[in-house]
Amino acid sequence: GNSVTQMEGPVTLSEEAFLTINCTYTATGYPSLFWYVQYPGEGLQLLLKATKADDKGSNKGFEATYRKETTSFHLEKGSVQVSDSAVYFCALSKPGGYNKLIFGAGTRLAVHP
Amino acid sequence: SQTIHQWPATLVQPVGSPLSLECTVEGTSNPNLYWYRQAAGRGLQLLFYSVGIGQISSEVPQNLSASRPQDRQFILSSKKLLLSDSGFYLCGGAGLDEQFFGPGTRLTVL
Repeated sequence: GNSVTQMEGPVTLSEEAFLTINCTYTATGYPSLFWYVQYPGEGLQLLLKATKADDKGSNKGFEATYRKETTSFHLEKGSVQVSDSAVYFCALSKPGGYNKLIFGAGTRLAVHP
Repeated sequence: SQTIHQWPATLVQPVGSPLSLECTVEGTSNPNLYWYRQAAGRGLQLLFYSVGIGQISSEVPQNLSASRPQDRQFILSSKKLLLSDSGFYLCGGAGLDEQFFGPGTRLTVL
């Protein structure tokens, strides 16, 4: 079946450090891939997405590239800020699947000054 | 813009008690609606989705049910809560674009 696997957290970084959160997926066909972020006390927000192989999603300094050959969608940011502290969810959806999302377990990121 | 209202933010209920969680949607018509749950240490799992009024599809067998009495209202219910129903419940919606979400309800069953 379809599934998403994320690296376990928490991830603790100092401000301005480089961030990578790994995400791999299992799916038949050609899913769309997403990163969602949940800031403390808030709902999930879409951070970025990619809909086909080799697409790069980017937003707020975060990037992720849809790698079909490695079935991965790793999230990266060159220089994190304290305000990036949140829980990050990788997810996929299948075309024609009523936009249903399959999520990873989430990775908590804590950035310290 | 599309907004989902979900309440309460936290809820503590005894085992065997009933449950009703409601979410309402603003800013879009005829959205697909979803209930997800995250148990401790697990990912968000889709419980139910609805493509229209009165249309409910269940993704996993469980102690819960869902109803959609109005286009922008989606309700999650249980007649008797179990300890295993504890978790974080998230309501989602999808219009023409990608999904948007409410703030979630953290349910603790004691």
